[in-house]
Amino acid sequence: GAGVSQSPSNKVTEKGKDVELRCDPISGHTALYWYRQRLGQGLEFLIYFQGNSAPDKSGLPSDRFSAERTGESVSTLTIQRTQQEDSAVYLCASSLLRDPFSGNTIYFGEGSWLTVV
Amino acid sequence: SQKIEQNSEALNIQEGKTATLTCNYTNYSPAYLQWYRQDPGRGPVFLLLIRENEKEKRKERLKVTFDTTLKQSLFHITASQPADSATYLCALPGTGFQKLVFGTGTRLLVSP
Repeated sequence: GAGVSQSPSNKVTEKGKDVELRCDPISGHTALYWYRQRLGQGLEFLIYFQGNSAPDKSGLPSDRFSAERTGESVSTLTIQRTQQEDSAVYLCASSLLRDPFSGNTIYFGEGSWLTVV
Repeated sequence: SQKIEQNSEALNIQEGKTATLTCNYTNYSPAYLQWYRQDPGRGPVFLLLIRENEKEKRKERLKVTFDTTLKQSLFHITASQPADSATYLCALPGTGFQKLVFGTGTRLLVSP
């Protein structure tokens, strides 16, 4: 597609419920990222996928968070047993990673706004 | 630990002036540094990339400098306009050079 697409754009859920957030990266982009941004805060790295390599999960805040990616396309971020502190914008980004030193410009979606009540 | 610092206070300037934003980092030796713009309710948008062997990079009214000795990058917007009002984020490659780590951003407000 023309850009990174995320759905849903807004989600309100009750505490304790599970949520799934979806990301469609730019076609042909091998690298995919999830970031979290709380209101008025910076971007927190969550997870990174690159081709068939093992994902870098070092940013996932707890075992309630998981993510999958199907090949080099769609990714799903799942938050189980949501808590109020999970309320944030979840941003997905993708890039065409040629080599690490070429400058890894990433393209963001508009985010999924999650509110846990 | 690796740290990226940007001024958390908003920068207020008048239209036509030059805005200068600062990004400082510690415990990094980045191969490059990037600047992004984020408008409220939107995802960040890439603006400029500067490599470690480049001292300065320009794009239209934007200029970025990169001082690897001071571990600092400066981001300048000349002849600023109210439409330049946004939050500006700097980003560096993290461990393994593949993931990007972002600063918290500085909000710029340009008054007419």
